[in-house]
Amino acid sequence: GEDVEQSLFLSVREGDSSVINCTYTDSSSTYLYWYKQEPGAGLQLLTYIFSNMDMKQDQRLTVLLNKKDKHLSLRIADTQTGDSAIYFCAEREWAGNTPLVFGKGTRLSVIA
Amino acid sequence: EAEVAQSPRYKITEKSQAVAFWCDPISGHATLYWYRQILGQGPELLVQFQDESVVDDSQLPKDRFSAERLKGVDSTLKIQPAELGDSAMYLCASSSPTITSYEQYFGPGTRLTVT
Repeated sequence: GEDVEQSLFLSVREGDSSVINCTYTDSSSTYLYWYKQEPGAGLQLLTYIFSNMDMKQDQRLTVLLNKKDKHLSLRIADTQTGDSAIYFCAEREWAGNTPLVFGKGTRLSVIA
Repeated sequence: EAEVAQSPRYKITEKSQAVAFWCDPISGHATLYWYRQILGQGPELLVQFQDESVVDDSQLPKDRFSAERLKGVDSTLKIQPAELGDSAMYLCASSSPTITSYEQYFGPGTRLTVT
């Protein structure tokens, strides 16, 4: 079945770049997503990438996709304390409007 | 900006009681999802609706959980009777098949605590 793996914790200093990594198993994944969850809140869609792309940049966020290795990363430039949250990687398989499969999330702590 | 609405935000109940959660998706979004998120885990799908029809409820514990979306707009998720293991965040999401990337937008969730 589908599986998404993420490292559980990341700690960075304010102003540095953060890189959150994710691996997935489903080769038929079409879209891959990054969501942010602050304590006690729902999930906020940050960005997504289509599987035929290698990179997508959106302001401070850069998504890199290595489809051969099934590896996805999210880079946050100039990390701020407000970026402290849990970041979830999610994939969706080929068959259209299907549910997302999430990783367990990476808790990002930003040290001032 | 349009948002997914959920209520209540928090619910504390005793085991064996019945609970219900409500979700109002973004206007025009035909697809509605209920996910359950256990502490320290990612969300997992419970049920997916397309308009008023259930598309996928394979992970819904049907002996105690039920979900409906009678008019194809808002939805209710019910648990009866609640068990201690049901303590979790219940998240509702919606998406539109007219958006090719099928982004799912999530509500704030309902935090359920069963005592």
